[in-house]
This record gives sequence, structure tokens and C-alpha cells, in this order.
Amino acid sequence: DQQVKQNSPSLSVQEGRISILNCDYTNSMFDYFLWYKKYPAEGPTFLISISSIKDKNEDGRFTVFLNKSAKHLSLHIVPSQPGDSAVYFCAASARGGSARQLTFGSGTQLTVLP
Amino acid sequence: NAGVTQTPKFRILKIGQSMTLQCTQDMNHNYMYWYRQDPGMGLKLIYYSVGAGITDKGEVPNGYNVSRSTTEDFPLRLELAAPSQTSVYFCASSGTGEYGYTFGSGTRLTVV
Repeated sequence: DQQVKQNSPSLSVQEGRISILNCDYTNSMFDYFLWYKKYPAEGPTFLISISSIKDKNEDGRFTVFLNKSAKHLSLHIVPSQPGDSAVYFCAASARGGSARQLTFGSGTQLTVLP
Repeated sequence: NAGVTQTPKFRILKIGQSMTLQCTQDMNHNYMYWYRQDPGMGLKLIYYSVGAGITDKGEVPNGYNVSRSTTEDFPLRLELAAPSQTSVYFCASSGTGEYGYTFGSGTRLTVV
């Protein structure tokens, strides 16, 4: 049972346009959400996060939106650049527990076309 | 500033062999994690540790063992390798109160 789902395995966008990556979750205990970016042969790197008490967080070209009622979050990249081509993972963390374990989605391969 | 270092980067094992995947971090992080990533799948938690001497199972611990004798090191042991353990393994660490992880570059393991 996947608690974090990324239903689009891939997305292609023209350079300069907006990229929108989506993520759905099922666990109501999740209270913190993160996006990671992964290049081939490298480990994931942290990109941006959002707490469940907020509905938007912005960092430069990257904005994450959270819709708690729909259990949905999205990552917007504006404008998209060829260097943004990578796999993007959505991750969620639940309150409680002895460590901040993250549950990951299956990832979306973003390709930004020049 | 090395961050999280994993060795080896690649390894081919025969069925039934054993090996240890090494992970070390130099950020004095209390929390360390081992994840595996199968093709088309997200990362799944194998084991984690909240500090030296303390480890606990994650979602997919069967066939693996870990130890945490120091803050810096968190090796993952595979006993009796099976083809189902063919995967990319990532070690990660995080500091107290931090949500984000720092990941190593991964170990690609093939069991034949």
C-alpha cells in the first residue's frame, strides 16, 4: 500500500515554461513534506519542504503547494531550465516516532527541452 | 566537507555470498538511515539508527543487518545474498530536529 504516490513517471517541458510535479498521500499523520531531486549516479538532494501548517512555500524558482483536504501537494518550477532535468521524489514524514523517517514516492522524471 | 560517504559504488555478488556496505558521515548527525531503491519504485527504508548503539527496523529489513558502534559509521550487512536484493542502496543522515536528509551517492548491487 503506497502511502505516497507520484502517478506521473515522466514529464517533458519546454525550457522557460512551468513544470508542475504532483504527489498524493494517504496517511493523515503526515505533517511534513519534502521534495528531493536526483541526478543519475548521485544520491537524492533536498530541494524544498513544507509543513502541514502552511499551504505554500517558495524558494527562488521552486514553489511547493499543499492541499491538506485533498491530501495533495505539487512542486512548481518557473521558469524551467535544462539543468532541472532529473528525477524528483516527493517524501513525507509523520509526527511521532523515534526518528524522522521519510516515506518516498516512486519519482517523476522531468525532462526540460532546450 | 565530505558529507555522507558510501563504499563501494558498485558490486556484483553471487547468490549466497555476504558483504558489508559501508557508510560514514562527518556531520555529527545522530540519525542515520539505509534505503533501497528498486527500478520504478521509491526509496524504501531498510534500517535506521537514532544514535550510537541504537538501531531499529524499517519497512524492508529482511535479509539485512546493521550496527552503529560510533556516531559516524552505519554499515549494512547482507547475509546470504539473493537476487531480490539487487538494488541501489542509499545511506542518509540527519541532525536532531532536522527533517531533511543528506544522502550518500549510493551503492549499486547486483546479485547473480
